Amino acid sequence: SYVLTQPPSVSVAPGQTARITCGANNIGSKGVHWYQQKPGQAPVLVVYDDDDRPSGIPERFSGSNSGNTATLTISRVEAGDEADYYCQVWDSSSDHWVFGGGTKLTVL
Amino acid sequence: EAQLVESGGGLVQPGGSLGLSCAASGFTFNVYWMAWVRRAPGKGLEWVANINQDGTEKYYLDSVKGRFTTSRDNGAISLHLQMNRLRAEDSAVYYCARHSGSAFDLWGQGTMVTVSS
Repeated sequence: SYVLTQPPSVSVAPGQTARITCGANNIGSKGVHWYQQKPGQAPVLVVYDDDDRPSGIPERFSGSNSGNTATLTISRVEAGDEADYYCQVWDSSSDHWVFGGGTKLTVL
Repeated sequence: EAQLVESGGGLVQPGGSLGLSCAASGFTFNVYWMAWVRRAPGKGLEWVANINQDGTEKYYLDSVKGRFTTSRDNGAISLHLQMNRLRAEDSAVYYCARHSGSAFDLWGQGTMVTVSS
């Protein structure tokens, strides 16, 4: 099965840039999506197809994907960005939709 | 406004059954693939199942295959998940989600399922 690996936690000061990685074999060949989930709330799609943003998502959220690593970048981090973030892909070899283990973003 | 609302969660004994429903509104339900995703306590998100527009194509997580069945009623604008032979490890918040390509662009608030004696 296709496994997506994320760091369990990332910490950043307000106003700085947070980078959350998602690693997997040849992930650059797949479309990667990113979700934000705050406590007690439903997940929200923040980046889709590697680097596109749904309407209503701030430009501070961006994505990239190449080789074996996809990255979610959050610029000018705010206290309200504190949440769990998940990467996700579709594994065509198994017809399974796969999530990474999640990364807890802490704003110091 | 597009919206998904789940119902049917609760407490069930191991080996028991439970049916979840998801009511959709504010969008053209029958043109979208739909999915179920869960989050167990202290764990991350996990895709469970999905279904195509007319219900003829379905995919399941290996650990639920043969125990869970997803279906949809386009006339009633609803999605369903029948869960049988439930195990403790099935305990989670279950979310209904709408597909946009291979992503999930709209989520419900979730319904809690607890499998315990």
